[in-house]
Amino acid sequence: AQSVSQHNHHVILSEAASLELGCNYSYGGTVNLFWYVQYPGQHLQLLLKYFSGDPLVKGIKGFEAEFIKSKFSFNLRKPSVQWSDTAEYFCAVTPPGQAGTALIFGKGTTLSVSS
Amino acid sequence: DVKVTQSSRYLVKRTGEKVFLECVQDMDHENMFWYRQDPGLGLRLIYFSYDVKMKEKGDIPEGYSVSREKKERFSLILESASTNQTSMYLCASSRRDRAGQPQHFGDGTRLSIL
Repeated sequence: AQSVSQHNHHVILSEAASLELGCNYSYGGTVNLFWYVQYPGQHLQLLLKYFSGDPLVKGIKGFEAEFIKSKFSFNLRKPSVQWSDTAEYFCAVTPPGQAGTALIFGKGTTLSVSS
Repeated sequence: DVKVTQSSRYLVKRTGEKVFLECVQDMDHENMFWYRQDPGLGLRLIYFSYDVKMKEKGDIPEGYSVSREKKERFSLILESASTNQTSMYLCASSRRDRAGQPQHFGDGTRLSIL
């Protein structure tokens, strides 16, 4: 079945460590890709998105993601995490031909950052 | 800034009750969505609507229905609530006119069915 996979269920890091969260999707063709973040007790917020152009996308709060078409991947990175980055992170994909409609979400990765 | 407002943050109902969850957005978005969020399962799409009175089933529509009588409002209905519908429910909206449009989410309704 078509899907979005986030390989890390729970990641634990110390402050200043580097972060990479994996996301792979199984759709062929042109897709739109998103990373959302959900801080404790808050609503989901868009971190960054990719739909065309430069495959390295920069988002808010120092996050970036790289789209690698050949690997069907859209991994999220941050060079130095902070305690305030503790949150749940979701990768999402708009399947081909469905731009502007429903998103398919991964199961999420919980990031815990210790100070 | 886009505002998606869900009528309740917390709701407790009994099995067999008919439950209404309301969602309103203020940005004239064409698309509206209902998801449920469960630990370890991420977000799963229940229903979405791309226009007034239009609806499409998502991945898990069983036991739910929706209503969109006005563009800004999208209601989720649990016809006869069951304990396995205890969950966090998220509403979202987005534009339909351009590729790459993100969805904007409400704060969620944590629903407990006893």
